[in-house]
Amino acid sequence: KQEVTQIPAALSVPEGENLVLNCSFTDSAIYNLQWFRQDPGKGLTSLLLIQSSQREQTSGRLNASLDKSSGRSTLYIAASQPGDSATYLCAVYTSGTYKYIFGTGTRLKVLA
Amino acid sequence: DAGVIQSPRHEVTEMGQEVTLRCKPISGHDYLFWYRQTMMRGLELLIYFNNNVPIDDSGMPEDRFSAKMPNASFSTLKIQPSEPRDSAVYFCATGGEATDTQYFGPGTRLTVL
Repeated sequence: KQEVTQIPAALSVPEGENLVLNCSFTDSAIYNLQWFRQDPGKGLTSLLLIQSSQREQTSGRLNASLDKSSGRSTLYIAASQPGDSATYLCAVYTSGTYKYIFGTGTRLKVLA
Repeated sequence: DAGVIQSPRHEVTEMGQEVTLRCKPISGHDYLFWYRQTMMRGLELLIYFNNNVPIDDSGMPEDRFSAKMPNASFSTLKIQPSEPRDSAVYFCATGGEATDTQYFGPGTRLTVL
């Protein structure tokens, strides 16, 4: 059974800092992995999708990497801004399950 | 496109009452997903549809929960009778394929007293 873990559960950083969010999964037979952002009281917004054949994806200040063999993905945020404050969730689509399994998220606060 | 539309945004009801949550998907998306989010359990998939047909309802917690998709433009999630432990935020999400990017609605915050 696929399990997805995100550590730490919460993180506070000063504005301008580069930071890394972590996502671990137990079953490496994944089809793809997504990173989402959730603002308080809102739905999830997809940030990046990495297919199993890819090593990384980039969008603006965001870079997501994937290492299937070690069961890990990281989301790198460059030059963090207060507007980046949100909860970030990763979701893994495991081959054969036909659905995404979500981590519990990392709550990020960027201090001005 | 207006995105995924959910109604109501907030629902407060008393234990034992019937609750119906509604979702209008993004036009052209063949997949529709219902999720539930709580502090304790995180985000859980309840059921999903492909071309209006229920594919996997293994996440539906009990027979009190039911979901329908009578056409490509509308889906409902019904809880009857509701219980306090059903209190959560319920999200509807849609996508072109099961593996694609998923587009989430704003959610319905349900409180059962």
